[in-house]
Amino acid sequence: NAGVTQTPKFRVLKTGQSMTLLCAQDMNHEYMYWYRQDPGMGLRLIHYSVGEGTTAKGEVPDGYNVSRLKKQNFLLGLESAAPSQTSVYFCASREQGGDEAFFGQGTRLTVV
Amino acid sequence: GENVEQHPSTLSVQEGDSAVIKCTYSDSASNYFPWYKQELGKRPQLIIDIRSNVGEKKDQRIAVTLNKTAKHFSLHITETQPEDSAVYFCAASRTGRRALTFGSGTRLQVQP
Repeated sequence: NAGVTQTPKFRVLKTGQSMTLLCAQDMNHEYMYWYRQDPGMGLRLIHYSVGEGTTAKGEVPDGYNVSRLKKQNFLLGLESAAPSQTSVYFCASREQGGDEAFFGQGTRLTVV
Repeated sequence: GENVEQHPSTLSVQEGDSAVIKCTYSDSASNYFPWYKQELGKRPQLIIDIRSNVGEKKDQRIAVTLNKTAKHFSLHITETQPEDSAVYFCAASRTGRRALTFGSGTRLQVQP
């Protein structure tokens, strides 16, 4: 039982490049979330999903897209990376009707 | 939406002393209040949580109190140890699909 796994762990992008971050959970959770963490700002919600095939915007969605084609996977895409997207990205999942959120190990992304 | 404010941003205590971190929230419908500990380079880990039907909860050296009327909750750590040094985040949400809204974090340093 791996919990929540993020791929990759580290990445350096050039401005304008694109990439996809993968989040996979094996707990059969309905809800999945993408957060970004910046110094002094806590974790801010980018997008979330309440089930397979559904997505919704969070607090800071601009510049990101997401997809939830399979229940266990939640993908975060950056179409044209900008230095302002340099951050640590965390994925989390939560069971339907549950409270506790389980986090992945994070992806450190640097855009130069 | 929900807004969570957390104070102080940094806290330094001597080993054995107590530490208190405070948070306020804005959405009176929030009913779940977890606290996460994040060590350097690691994912946030749930250390204690409280629901709105409870005023206080303890787990060994840590406790959380909730004042629904004032919309604030606090984390108390007694007999602090160097391994308590980390960043602590409070959060708030409604049970179920809503994502957690996080405070900005408190860096706790316990001096040996």
